Amino acid sequence: DAMVIQNPRYQVTQFGKPVTLSCSQTLNHNVMYWYQQKSSQAPKLLFHYYDKDFNNEADTPDNFQSRRPNTSFCFLDIRSPGLGDAAMYLCATSRDRGEGKNIQYFGAGTRLSVL
Amino acid sequence: AQTVTQSQPEMSVQEAETVTLSCTYDTSESDYYLFWYKQPPSRQMILVIRQEAYKQQNATENRFSVNFQKAAKSFSLKISDSQLGDAAMYFCAYRSPGPSGTYKYIFGTGTRLKVLA
Repeated sequence: DAMVIQNPRYQVTQFGKPVTLSCSQTLNHNVMYWYQQKSSQAPKLLFHYYDKDFNNEADTPDNFQSRRPNTSFCFLDIRSPGLGDAAMYLCATSRDRGEGKNIQYFGAGTRLSVL
Repeated sequence: AQTVTQSQPEMSVQEAETVTLSCTYDTSESDYYLFWYKQPPSRQMILVIRQEAYKQQNATENRFSVNFQKAAKSFSLKISDSQLGDAAMYFCAYRSPGPSGTYKYIFGTGTRLKVLA
């Protein structure tokens, strides 16, 4: 059974039209991550939540926001998608921060197309 | 800053044969973790194997093993008795302490493994 679930698997949006990607987890993990993975590139961390504490990466554009209303759900909001934001977006979780507790579990990803 | 390099964009192996995927990294830290993740087509990324930098013994998980050379900053993955289900994108990852001790992952660009019947 999938433990990190991302919906939808494929999302098409229009240039400049806000879009939200969702991630849910059944693991009760404290930490949730969002990665952007462009074609033939490594996954790049955008931000993460440790419980309710939001941690943004320094080079994540302001166009990307996130919400975590509860332990199970985390959302990625792209306020004004550009053509360069077309990518696979991966959600991951980890139990906690400490050593031995930080293995990340990934969802299957949402592939975003921007028209 | 830490970097992870996978110099082989694509590899092929005959079924039942052995293949080695290479990974090098750069860091000034002495304590860290290294990982190999597998990403099958249209499926989620899953952990294959991990290695603690302070352990000299190479990690092994069934048909998967690593050759960890700390001084050379090399971390290769060996897949023995390759199976069709091993076909996937393989990512090497380094884990460094991130902000607030959350341990940020740094991924390589991946190696696509094809298994030939």
